[in-house]
Amino acid sequence: QTVVTQEPSLTVSPGGTVTLTCALNTGAVTGIDYPNWFQQRPGQAPRSLIHSTDKKHSWTPARFSGSLLGGKAALTLSGVQPEDEADYYCQLYYGGAWVFGGGTKLTVL
Amino acid sequence: EVQLVESGGSAVRPGGSLRLSCATSGFNFDDYGMSWVRQAPGKGLEWVSSINWNGGSIGYADSVKGRFTISRDKGKTSVYLQMNSLRAEDTAFYYCVTYDFWKYAWLFWGQGTLVTVSS
Repeated sequence: QTVVTQEPSLTVSPGGTVTLTCALNTGAVTGIDYPNWFQQRPGQAPRSLIHSTDKKHSWTPARFSGSLLGGKAALTLSGVQPEDEADYYCQLYYGGAWVFGGGTKLTVL
Repeated sequence: EVQLVESGGSAVRPGGSLRLSCATSGFNFDDYGMSWVRQAPGKGLEWVSSINWNGGSIGYADSVKGRFTISRDKGKTSVYLQMNSLRAEDTAFYYCVTYDFWKYAWLFWGQGTLVTVSS
């Protein structure tokens, strides 16, 4: 069974930098797993932030960036804003199926 | 403006059936794949099913395989999810999502429709 693991929760100060990671139980995450990242604010539908590891959508704020880091997919927020407080989900394409991670609850405090 | 509007969610008994619809506008429907994702109340996201731009490639999560069927209608620019043999664990918000099949890029999300399976 494919399992994608994220940090359950992280806390960051306004203006700070934080990195969220996304790990695959079968081995290192690579570019052909096509990592996507999504943000879900409380009471709202998710919205797409990053695709194909590091590609931003036209609406993605510049402070969000994606990468591969130490065998994991990573989402880095630089210069965190209060409105970035949300749940963040990564997603991988593996074995012909899309698999979501359990999500990271990011608190801005 | 891209719009995806889900409908068809309701309360249903275990073993029952529902058909969800997702009406789309604001983009060229024929160019994009469509997916359904669900989220149980207070829980994370779970991929349910995807269909590519012409219906030639379809995938299902193991949890719904054999019970759910995804389809799309070019003329109505809509995607559907036929859900049979519903179980309590199918209770969730169901979102439809567009994706770029060639770039593996997930794009726009609808606001979701709630399915409740309970006796």
